[in-house]
Amino acid sequence: DVKVTQSSRYLVKRTGEKVFLECVQDMDHENMFWYRQDPGLGLRLIYFSYDVKMKEKGDIPEGYSVSREKKERFSLILESASTNQTSMYLCASSGPLMAGVNYGYTFGSGTRLTVV
Amino acid sequence: SQQGEEDPQALSIQEGENATMNCSYKTSINNLQWYRQNSGRGLVHLILIRSNEREKHSGRLRVTLDTSKKSSSLLITASRAADTASYFCATETAPGTYKYIFGTGTRLKVLA
Repeated sequence: DVKVTQSSRYLVKRTGEKVFLECVQDMDHENMFWYRQDPGLGLRLIYFSYDVKMKEKGDIPEGYSVSREKKERFSLILESASTNQTSMYLCASSGPLMAGVNYGYTFGSGTRLTVV
Repeated sequence: SQQGEEDPQALSIQEGENATMNCSYKTSINNLQWYRQNSGRGLVHLILIRSNEREKHSGRLRVTLDTSKKSSSLLITASRAADTASYFCATETAPGTYKYIFGTGTRLKVLA
């Protein structure tokens, strides 16, 4: 069964810590994404990547960075965690267009990060 | 601002009833997708409807798309307690990109 795996379901970190959220997909997808989800705000795109070593900012990149050294792995990094980064983080991947259509994302189960 | 906005925000129905959720969006689209999210989990892709389609079925799901009104609806027939979840519509930020914008979702509760 194809999947996107996020390394942790729950994570508690202290303010100022450097935090790594890992995401691995086994579908050989080119495209990978990091979203955060907050009540009332829906999903907001943080960063995405169309290829290895390639990254583009989403709508809310401040305070985050990413790394994609291998096709299957896309890491989200919180350089110095703050309490306003407490959230659910969702990783997703998608494959190439087929007949001009992107047939949707496969999401991981999410990481609920609490920064104290 | 959100590309897709779902309506209602929350919906509570009895098992066996039909549930209808609506989505409005703002720009031209190539396709629109619906996702389900069970509490505390990731989203699961349900169905995709292309801009040249008006209606699509998948099991107990029926999706309609009205591009003139920039709106879509998701109908779940004969609902079950297991359908309790949040439902999101998603549209591309621009046609041909891989980036999707999600609405804030409709929380559906199906009472047994």
